[in-house]
Parts: sequence; structure tokens; C-alpha cells
Amino acid sequence: EAGVAQSPRYKIIEKRQSVAFWCNPISGHATLYWYQQILGQGPKLLIQFQNNGVVDDSQLPKDRFSAERLKGVDSTLKIQPAKLEDSAVYLCASSLERTRSGNTIYFGEGSWLTVV
Amino acid sequence: GQQVMQIPQYQHVQEGEDFTTYCNSSTTLSNIQWYKQRPGGHPVFLIQLVKSGEVKKQKRLTFQFGEAKKNSSLHITATQTTDVGTYFCAGSGSARQLTFGSGTQLTVLP
Repeated sequence: EAGVAQSPRYKIIEKRQSVAFWCNPISGHATLYWYQQILGQGPKLLIQFQNNGVVDDSQLPKDRFSAERLKGVDSTLKIQPAKLEDSAVYLCASSLERTRSGNTIYFGEGSWLTVV
Repeated sequence: GQQVMQIPQYQHVQEGEDFTTYCNSSTTLSNIQWYKQRPGGHPVFLIQLVKSGEVKKQKRLTFQFGEAKKNSSLHITATQTTDVGTYFCAGSGSARQLTFGSGTQLTVLP
């Protein structure tokens, strides 16, 4: 079974530039997540989709971050304009439809962003 | 909002010694999950605990969920160099959103 695919793996941009990350979840997974992981910290949820609808985006800095999942499969996360503090790994993850006992989340390899 | 705290932040052990990391939530959890992240890698699911007081074992790893469903622990017996990495707990509350702890970074000295 193919895992969660992400691209690009690495990106270096200057502050105030824009960047976009792409994610293709595991086939059949209805729930897609974008997490931000700053070095030395745990992953922080930015946005969660259920199919193509947003379930939770309470921690997404909406003045500069945006995300979409138009057809309920692939997703893109955009940052514009980037700030130095956005330097982090952006992890995409997916899971099956939510169950009473909770989700098992499968992470992609991550997109490493450095803002200089 | 829900907060999940983990201690210790770092742990260095000699190969063969035991290791324990603790996780505490500010709110009652519906379930707790544990993940392992190797250096430079991504978090990989280890296990999920759902029931109050639940204990699960995976070879040398023992996972416990507290009676009040607000804390959990991971214990590794006789660590090996392959155990190196950061161990995260992640708690799911009433809103079913997973909140990750800050992780415990384990170093195993040969």
C-alpha cells in the first residue's frame, strides 16, 4: 500500500516569498491533516479536512496560510508571505473516516521549509 | 484548549538500561496514541490505548493508560540502539482532535 506522498521534500525561500506544498493521502482515507513541526517540538495541527470540507483550522494563521482539498483527495498548503518563524517541517497525514475509538494517523515524509 | 505535556524532554541511557516517558493531559482523553520519530524521519504510529487502566505490550515496550484517562506512560525494557528517536504521545479529547506532546528524545549509548 502506497503511503502519504508529499512534495517538495525540501524548499529554501527568502522571507516574504511564497511557497506551496502538495500532498496525496493514502487511497481511501477521507481525513487529511496538515501539521507544522518546528525543530524540537511535537507536530501542531494546522488544518484538518474531512473529504473536501474543513473540520478544524483553528490554529492556521489565516493571514498568511491557506489550504485546500478541492476534490477530496489531494491537498495543497500555501504560505504567502513567508516569515522566518515559518521554518519547519510541514507534515501531511491521513486517516480513515473517524471512528468511535479514534484515528490512526499515517504521516508523509514531510516538506522541510527553510525561510532565510 | 487541550494541552498534552511530556516528560522528560531528553533522556540518555546506556544500552540495556530501561527507559520511561510520561504523558499528562489537561483534560480527560477518549484515547491516547504513541508515535516514534527517528532522527530526520516522520512520526510512525506505535499503538493506541482507549480503555481506562489499559496496559498493552509490544515486545520490550509497555504502554499504560491511567485510570482517569488523563495520563499515560511508555516503558522500554533493556533499550537497544535501534530504540533511538523521539517518542510522542498524542491525546484525543471530546473534539476528536489529536494533540501531540512535545516528545521525549531518547539517546541510547552503546
